[in-house]
Amino acid sequence: KNQVEQSPQSLIILEGKNCTLQCNYTVSPFSNLRWYKQDTGRGPVSLTIMTFSENTKSNGRYTATLDADTKQSSLHITASQLSDSASYICVFTPGNLIFGKGTKLSVKP
Amino acid sequence: DAGITQSPRHKVTETGTPVTLRCHQTENHRYMYWYRQDPGHGLRLIHYSYGVKDTDKGEVSDGYSVSRSKTEDFLLTLESATSSQTSVYFCAISDGSRTSLDNEQFFGPGTRLTVL
Repeated sequence: KNQVEQSPQSLIILEGKNCTLQCNYTVSPFSNLRWYKQDTGRGPVSLTIMTFSENTKSNGRYTATLDADTKQSSLHITASQLSDSASYICVFTPGNLIFGKGTKLSVKP
Repeated sequence: DAGITQSPRHKVTETGTPVTLRCHQTENHRYMYWYRQDPGHGLRLIHYSYGVKDTDKGEVSDGYSVSRSKTEDFLLTLESATSSQTSVYFCAISDGSRTSLDNEQFFGPGTRLTVL
């Protein structure tokens, strides 16, 4: 069964610090992986899109990685800002879209 | 929100009443989708449309119907609302440049529905 598990469920960090969010999956095969950012009360917005053959993709302070051997993807946020407070969702596409439940990140001053 | 509006943004209704949510896009995208988002669950697909009057079911379609009479509008109807349909509903669109469910989707702002 295709499953996507995100960890941690929630995370609190101080402004300026780095953090890494994890996404473990059993989806196979898949064509691409996306990380979305969802601000409270808003719809998700795409941060990065990777094909199954890519290992890393960056978008400013956001860097997504994909390890097909361990079936893990990570989203690394560098020099966090208050505006990074949001939920982050990984999404796999083996045809249909399979969404993780998200990690809620809170960045405190 | 990529030229997508949803109406209403908030609605409170009673069990057994019909409810229609509207999604309107100005991007002329071919594909439109309805999702629900609940605590403890990822976004789940209710129905999607791949063209005017062309629709198909998603993984949680029971109790919902949809209609698309124009490219820009996709309606989600709860014929007889139940408390289990209390949720946040998101509309999404994609341009269909690749396979229908494979290309990037852009999401609307959501509608918070409460069924008492």
